[in-house]
Amino acid sequence: SQTIHQWPATLVQPVGSPLSLECTVEGTSNPNLYWYRQAAGRGLQLLFYSVGIGQISSEVPQNLSASRPQDRQFILSSKKLLLSDSGFYLCAWSESYNSPLHFGNGTRLTVT
Amino acid sequence: EDQVTQSPEALRLQEGESSSLNCSYTVSGLRGLFWYRQDPGKGPEFLFTLYSAGEEKEKERLKATLTKKESFLHITAPKPEDSATYLCATPGAGGSYIPTFGRGTSLIVHP
Repeated sequence: SQTIHQWPATLVQPVGSPLSLECTVEGTSNPNLYWYRQAAGRGLQLLFYSVGIGQISSEVPQNLSASRPQDRQFILSSKKLLLSDSGFYLCAWSESYNSPLHFGNGTRLTVT
Repeated sequence: EDQVTQSPEALRLQEGESSSLNCSYTVSGLRGLFWYRQDPGKGPEFLFTLYSAGEEKEKERLKATLTKKESFLHITAPKPEDSATYLCATPGAGGSYIPTFGRGTSLIVHP
């Protein structure tokens, strides 16, 4: 069966520090991969998605970037965090464009 | 542009009090409808996929139904452990990889 791993679960970082969140998927090949951010009491905001190695689509211009160095690995990064980057970050995968997404357990990021 | 609207935003029920959550959508050709459950501090958990009007899916106390314009998530005799936020979503249009999510219904079931 397929599983998705996302870490760390929580993270507290000072303003101006770098960020690296990692997500890996097991049990499938060539998944579509997604990074979402969810603000408290608000909906899911799509940040990036990827349909293949090295291919990244950005949905929201911001202080973040994403990379897909391997088929089942998706990384969310920032060179310098802003206070506004605080939030709940979710990684997800799907088999195809019309398949449901399967989410990781998220990373709670607090920028201080 | 696809739109997905969920109502109500929040719902409080007594244990055993059945009710329904609504997900209405405006899409250019229905390509499926997904339901998720999200517990606080966790990622959404996939529940159901519905592909055609008239289709129904069940899981324990939950039953999802689909019409041409909306989907309902019926909760029969809910228990406190059913408390969560329920999200619905449609797949991307025209081969797009971007699904459209509703903002969710926050359900609280009191014992």
